[in-house]
Amino acid sequence: DTGVSQDPRHKITKRGQNVTFRCDPISEHNRLYWYRQTLGQGPEFLTYFQNEAQLEKSRLLSDRFSAERPKGSFSTLEIQRTEQGDSAMYLCASSGGTSLYTGELFFGEGSRLTVL
Amino acid sequence: EDQVTQSPEALRLQEGESSSLNCSYTVSGLRGLFWYRQDPGKGPEFLFTLYSAGEEKEKERLKATLTKKESFLHITAPKPEDSATYLCAVQTHYSGAGSYQLTFGKGTKLSVIP
Repeated sequence: DTGVSQDPRHKITKRGQNVTFRCDPISEHNRLYWYRQTLGQGPEFLTYFQNEAQLEKSRLLSDRFSAERPKGSFSTLEIQRTEQGDSAMYLCASSGGTSLYTGELFFGEGSRLTVL
Repeated sequence: EDQVTQSPEALRLQEGESSSLNCSYTVSGLRGLFWYRQDPGKGPEFLFTLYSAGEEKEKERLKATLTKKESFLHITAPKPEDSATYLCAVQTHYSGAGSYQLTFGKGTKLSVIP
């Protein structure tokens, strides 16, 4: 399978714990995005990487959230001191090509987080 | 602030009953409008990109159109396998913060009954 891969698919944690999600993008894609989706809502942008550089971060993103993309390959999204409001599906997407503004994203199946 | 509104929130169709989904947007300089399909428990799947008013794209039973204020996704003779949530998203021209992100609507949940 050469699509975007996310791990774990499901995570249940207690309030206050830290969680980390991993995303492996399509290998030739240099752009990687994280989105968050709650029930009945569309995906909400969190952050964007071009290669290893984090170029954009949503102003809504709490400082409890941190993302990395070492060496421009896989990415991790860590949430520290989780709160019940963090419960959501965390979606990773990647894209490639030369256009800076492509909106054709390839999404993974998501990591569903439940905070008890 | 960019806004994307989709209607209706939910739509039930009989198999073969054609209809349209609406996406209206308010943005400061549209770069592109995108349609995605999302099945339950899955990530969105890209369908179409539209860049300028008057543009149309087609794929099987789906056709997307764009005006200066809204986009329509027309579904002709739908089948049960077309049941999904259809999401509309916009990307804007302006540089700096917001250049790369998509702003999504809440989606229209389509159910096609055999």
